[in-house]
Amino acid sequence: QKEVEQDPGPLSVPEGAIVSLNCTYSNSAFQYFMWYRQYSRKGPELLMYTYSSGNKEDGRFTAQVDKSSKYISLFIRDSQPSDSATYLCAMSGGTNFGNEKLTFGTGTRLTIIP
Amino acid sequence: EAGVAQSPRYKIIEKRQSVAFWCNPISGHATLYWYQQILGQGPKLLIQFQNNGVVDDSQLPKDRFSAERLKGVDSTLKIQPAKLEDSAVYLCASSLAAASLNEQFFGPGTRLTVL
Repeated sequence: QKEVEQDPGPLSVPEGAIVSLNCTYSNSAFQYFMWYRQYSRKGPELLMYTYSSGNKEDGRFTAQVDKSSKYISLFIRDSQPSDSATYLCAMSGGTNFGNEKLTFGTGTRLTIIP
Repeated sequence: EAGVAQSPRYKIIEKRQSVAFWCNPISGHATLYWYQQILGQGPKLLIQFQNNGVVDDSQLPKDRFSAERLKGVDSTLKIQPAKLEDSAVYLCASSLAAASLNEQFFGPGTRLTVL
């Protein structure tokens, strides 16, 4: 069993829809939960990160972490064609964000249809 | 601020040949990472450097892969000899390694095809 499971999609939704992306994990030591966006032939870029359980909102993006269920989500409101990309969840342990190894999901390929 | 630079962007070799990738991290970033991203999968850490020392190389196939960061700045990753299953994008990332909030910044990657 992989430490981090993510549905690879592909996922296609019409412009303006709400998108829900999810990951599950098995390692209880994970403390930091991240979402990266990766455009074709580019490196991943950090969208949001959350420490432990809870919600975090940034513009049209909301990240949720439920450590009791080992389940994290990313919601995109009012989706735009420019949101079309692969979304990777990533997790790490430790007490300092970024100094620990990142464990990634497989990524979900998202297409927003104009 | 310039991002993480990688070269070459693309490389095609035959199996059993050797290949090297180069990475120049963001200026001042003490921590450097090499990840392997196979098509349809998430990146997997190969090796992590703190300045010129190795922090984690537990997932580096040491019989064929090697990496160095001699002066604590840029880094090279080498594969010798290459196998078909090494076909992947090799991503370099760097972070400040300060006390907190160490976002990893990724370069564009080197796409390796082994024939």
